[in-house]
Amino acid sequence: AQSVTQPDIHITVSEGASLELRCNYSYGATPYLFWYVQSPGQGLQLLLKYFSGDTLVQGIKGFEAEFKRSQSSFNLRKPSVHWSDAAEYFCAVGAKDSNYQLIWGAGTKLIIKP
Amino acid sequence: KAGVTQTPRYLIKTRGQQVTLSCSPISGHRSVSWYQQTPGQGLQFLFEYFSETQRNKGNFPGRFSGRQFSNSRSEMNVSTLELGDSALYLCASSLFGVTGELFFGEGSRLTVL
Repeated sequence: AQSVTQPDIHITVSEGASLELRCNYSYGATPYLFWYVQSPGQGLQLLLKYFSGDTLVQGIKGFEAEFKRSQSSFNLRKPSVHWSDAAEYFCAVGAKDSNYQLIWGAGTKLIIKP
Repeated sequence: KAGVTQTPRYLIKTRGQQVTLSCSPISGHRSVSWYQQTPGQGLQFLFEYFSETQRNKGNFPGRFSGRQFSNSRSEMNVSTLELGDSALYLCASSLFGVTGELFFGEGSRLTVL
């Protein structure tokens, strides 16, 4: 069955430190991949997406993600986090063979230490 | 440009009742999708409407239904509420569908007692 796994429920990093949030998927076909962020009390906002082409994708707010087909991963990175990055981050995957229905990871809550 | 508006923001119901949630998409967006969010479960896809037609449906029981009007506004209805239906219900609109950028509302938080 198709699935998306975000192995880390919580991650704590110091302000200014680098960040990597993991996302692994199980899909038969070439997927479409997304990262969304949800700030407290807010709806979700798209950070970046991968459909095809260059496997390193740049997004908003200084985030980037790399699609690694061999590892079925689409990890989100940021070189230096800011206190305003504290939020919950969701990875989502869709594919043509699932009629593009998005499967969502359970989310990773990012906590920033001052 | 106004964002996605969901009403009501908060509501409390008792088991067995029904509830209707409303979503007004961004002007010009024809796709509206609905999601259930519960702690630790991420988002579960309910259904997607595009130009008044249900285009895709998730794995939820028939108690969950929706519709879309000619102005793209959408409603979802849950009948015979169960305790497990307590969740944040999110609506998202997009120009073309779920493979494009989704613009989310702030959600309707439903508590079932």
